[in-house]
Amino acid sequence: SQQGEEDPQALSIQEGENATMNCSYKTSINNLQWYRQNSGRGLVHLILIRSNEREKHSGRLRVTLDTSKKSSSLLITASRAADTASYFCATVPSGNTPLVFGKGTRLSVIA
Amino acid sequence: IAGITQAPTSQILAAGRRMTLRCTQDMRHNAMYWYRQDLGLGLRLIHYSNTAGTTGKGEVPDGYSVSRANTDDFPLTLASAVPSQTSVYFCASSDSEGHSPLHFGNGTRLTVT
Repeated sequence: SQQGEEDPQALSIQEGENATMNCSYKTSINNLQWYRQNSGRGLVHLILIRSNEREKHSGRLRVTLDTSKKSSSLLITASRAADTASYFCATVPSGNTPLVFGKGTRLSVIA
Repeated sequence: IAGITQAPTSQILAAGRRMTLRCTQDMRHNAMYWYRQDLGLGLRLIHYSNTAGTTGKGEVPDGYSVSRANTDDFPLTLASAVPSQTSVYFCASSDSEGHSPLHFGNGTRLTVT
């Protein structure tokens, strides 16, 4: 069963705006990861945040993690048309079980 | 370029036929995974292998088998394909089970008629 659920399912914004995607999960985690998928391609890892971290940055990406609410958010600042893709959160449940993915948010950035 | 190679890129298969999807990585990663991606359902784990010689079942293993004879290769076999196995199949690897980022191949688009 799906561990993570992204919200919204789809998001359309203008170039230059910020995009925020949310992820909720069900059980305790070791870490949470965000991935990006361009149409017709495999997923690409963006950022990993550990359960003892609250915020992490990578370029125009900012990820937050609230373990008390079992939720995470991915913020893309100053979006570009090239950011158009699907974004997935994935969680590593406590223990050595494989990554479990959510269903993704489809982001469209309009030039 | 280091990474994961999947073959074939796409395939149309008659129901009842046997099919092996190939996956090879050159990063010497210990762990490898097979996911299927279906519209509205996201990625679901089929089988995984934490190290050569071991395999484990994921969320949707029925109708699929895997083997891990060496570090680099992780083939996925459909013994007798059914239309519900129409999907895009992704192979991935990581350098340790569960905790490291996954590296994905570009997928195999399989249609079972």
